[in-house]
Amino acid sequence: DGGITQSPKYLFRKEGQNVTLSCEQNLNHDAMYWYRQDPGQGLRLIYYSQIVNDFQKGDIAEGYSVSREKKESFPLTVTSAQKNPTAFYLCASSIPGQGTDTQYFGPGTRLTVL
Amino acid sequence: AQTVTQSQPEMSVQEAETVTLSCTYDTSENNYYLFWYKQPPSRQMILVIRQEAYKQQNATENRFSVNFQKAAKSFSLKISDSQLGDTAMYFCAYAYSGNTPLVFGKGTRLSVIA
Repeated sequence: DGGITQSPKYLFRKEGQNVTLSCEQNLNHDAMYWYRQDPGQGLRLIYYSQIVNDFQKGDIAEGYSVSREKKESFPLTVTSAQKNPTAFYLCASSIPGQGTDTQYFGPGTRLTVL
Repeated sequence: AQTVTQSQPEMSVQEAETVTLSCTYDTSENNYYLFWYKQPPSRQMILVIRQEAYKQQNATENRFSVNFQKAAKSFSLKISDSQLGDTAMYFCAYAYSGNTPLVFGKGTRLSVIA
């Protein structure tokens, strides 16, 4: 069954810890994205990657890092430098081709700082 | 920079009635893509409908249709025969072509009342 998976569903972090959120897709999509959702803020872009071994910062990249070593995987690390990481994190991927730009989303990870 | 504005934070509609959600955007591009996503209480982001800016014909998907006014930079969503399952947050989003990130509005919370 094709789709986008994110794990874990819930994640708790202590102050000063780094944590990594997983995002995997088996849709053969070239591009992958990380968004952060806060109440009343909509979704904001953290990082995105259009091809393997390449990625770009989004609007709120400070305190986050990513890697894209495989087409299927785009993990997000929330570092201790991110001062307010409590949020809902959504991963997405998009269909390759001529400008279709339809993004499909994973089920999300809820991160809470203790 | 592109921006997307949803001016209605909350709306409600009676079951079986019709409701229209508003969205305006700002861009200097001529070719782009517009989307409506639905986020039910499960928080899964679901694509409702998409529109290519170069197409004059308004997109429709079953009970969902859009009114795309390119000159006015307006992209409203009409839901006909509203159902209880339509209760969700609805996000309007913009993307420039080529597997680029989405720019989201802040969302409209729609409640369908029995």
